[in-house]
Amino acid sequence: DTVLTQSPALAVSPGERVTISCRASESVSTGMHWYQQKPGQQPKLLIYGASNLESGVPARFSGSGSGTDFTLTIDPVEADDTATYFCQQSWNDPFTFGSGTKLEIK
Amino acid sequence: QVTLKESGPGILQPSQTLSLTCSFSGFSLSTYGMCVGWIRQSSGKGLEWLANIWWNDDKYYNPSLKNRLTISKDTSNNQAFLKITNMDTADTATYYCARVHTMGITPYYFDYWGQGVMVTVSS
Repeated sequence: DTVLTQSPALAVSPGERVTISCRASESVSTGMHWYQQKPGQQPKLLIYGASNLESGVPARFSGSGSGTDFTLTIDPVEADDTATYFCQQSWNDPFTFGSGTKLEIK
Repeated sequence: QVTLKESGPGILQPSQTLSLTCSFSGFSLSTYGMCVGWIRQSSGKGLEWLANIWWNDDKYYNPSLKNRLTISKDTSNNQAFLKITNMDTADTATYYCARVHTMGITPYYFDYWGQGVMVTVSS
């Protein structure tokens, strides 16, 4: 299975720029997607196809990368962005998720 | 407006079979290209994709659990189902159903999720 590795946690101040990384154990081309999950809620799609912003998601969120290295950027960060962010790949079978990066807003 | 909602037993004993229902609206699983998937989330294993079912009744399973999973659908009632046999405490998790986006250059992401149903396996 394709393993997706994410840093466990980050802490930033409002107004700053934050990058959340996801590294795949093998190439996933641009078949990488990002989700936001707030406590007690289901995941919410933010970015699909590595860099495409889902409808209704603020333009503060952006994604980049291809192959094995991907980044989710939030600029500027707001207090409401406190959540865990997951990457998911759909290029290789089976679909797999990263373990999530918990973002704390100071 | 697309919505999905899971339902299940809440608690069951080891070795029992889990039966989950996903009731959805805003799309039809009889429409070309539509697909619904099941994902679970546990503190031990994080998010884990389990299975997908397509409009044409094609089914795909996570190989790690394939022998225990059965996915099905009732298109007339806008429902999808998942059965997991021989449940164990390690299967304790929140189970989600989600619509799978299947079109475009890089498809197969989950664009709408249900709220999830917590399933506890305990004797």
